[in-house]
Amino acid sequence: TQLLEQSPQFLSIQEGENLTVYCNSSSVFSSLQWYRQEPGEGPVLLVTVVTGGEVKKLKRLTFQFGDARKDSSLHITAAQPGDTGLYLCAGGARYGQNFVFGPGTRLSVLP
Amino acid sequence: DAGITQSPRHKVTETGTPVTLRCHQTENHRYMYWYRQDPGHGLRLIHYSYGVKDTDKGEVSDGYSVSRSKTEDFLLTLESATSSQTSVYFCAIREQGSANYGYTFGSGTRLTVV
Repeated sequence: TQLLEQSPQFLSIQEGENLTVYCNSSSVFSSLQWYRQEPGEGPVLLVTVVTGGEVKKLKRLTFQFGDARKDSSLHITAAQPGDTGLYLCAGGARYGQNFVFGPGTRLSVLP
Repeated sequence: DAGITQSPRHKVTETGTPVTLRCHQTENHRYMYWYRQDPGHGLRLIHYSYGVKDTDKGEVSDGYSVSRSKTEDFLLTLESATSSQTSVYFCAIREQGSANYGYTFGSGTRLTVV
């Protein structure tokens, strides 16, 4: 069974600070996705990374897929209260296989 | 909007009673999924479907059954609800099984079994 771990579990920071959250596994994934979930809603896809070493940017969010495709990171620059939410990573091993979700990092950005 | 709706949004039921949750999509996607989300466990797959009348079990399927008689509807049934099935249930759709395609989730159903 493939497992994904996320760290930290909880993170509370002030508006304007930078932060990085991590997603790690002992398994190799063909792709990795990041989602953000707000209270009372379902997760929303932020990005998909498929190539080892790949870096994608989405405004103030920077996503990186590890060279060995076993880990990923999400870096947020100058966090804003609107970034508050649960950040989930999900890994897919091969075509047609269902993704495995990590437990998430709960981020709180205080004004 | 995403074109996926779940009903009901909230439900309280008694132990031992049957419960059916509904997921409806307007995207004509082939793949549909039911997940449960619990603190510390993230999202865990209950059952999924890859076409009409084609379903398969996920990692936490015990006590649950599903049916898909039409492309747009995917039903999750708890045959005899237990307190351990108190959770938030999410339906998701995906256009294809390719790793490049993300999941689109519904807004969830909060189920409480008393």
